[in-house]
Amino acid sequence: SQTIHQWPATLVQPVGSPLSLECTVEGTSNPNLYWYRQAAGRGLQLLFYSVGIGQISSEVPQNLSASRPQDRQFILSSKKLLLSDSGFYLCAWSAGTPMNTEAFFGQGTRLTVV
Amino acid sequence: GEDVEQSLFLSVREGDSSVINCTYTDSSSTYLYWYKQEPGAGLQLLTYIFSNMDMKQDQRLTVLLNKKDKHLSLRIADTQTGDSAIYFCAESISDYKLSFGAGTTVTVRA
Repeated sequence: SQTIHQWPATLVQPVGSPLSLECTVEGTSNPNLYWYRQAAGRGLQLLFYSVGIGQISSEVPQNLSASRPQDRQFILSSKKLLLSDSGFYLCAWSAGTPMNTEAFFGQGTRLTVV
Repeated sequence: GEDVEQSLFLSVREGDSSVINCTYTDSSSTYLYWYKQEPGAGLQLLTYIFSNMDMKQDQRLTVLLNKKDKHLSLRIADTQTGDSAIYFCAESISDYKLSFGAGTTVTVRA
């Protein structure tokens, strides 16, 4: 069966510091991978998605970047965090076929920028 | 999430039925989903319905789909305290993208 791992679970970082959140998927190959952000009291905002190694699509301009160095690894990064980067970050994967569009989520990372 | 709309809050008494409503905009969506998010956790796929279906029942959950009105609902029968969570409606807008609503916070009171 497929599993998705996301870490760390919580993170407190000072403004201006770098960020690296990691997500890995097991039990499937060539998944579509996603990073979402959930701000307090708001829905999910899609930040990045990737349909293959090295292929990253950005949905919104921001202070963050994503990379996919391996088939089942997705990394969310920032060189200098802003206060507005605080939020709950969720990694997800999907098979990405017409009959399998559902997304499966990791447990999330609570990021607080201070 | 602006293409998918749902009310933000629902309060229900334990043992009653909960009905969470959602409207979507993409008439070509193949699947529509309901996800559940418990505090501090990721989203868990609760159920889904294929676009050519009107209804799907799974134990205490009933999903109704009105394609004409682009309206989706989730009914939870005999609501329990463990059902307290945020429920997200989502539509598939392509093979690799889902569009989510803002989430409905369901509070179950004794």
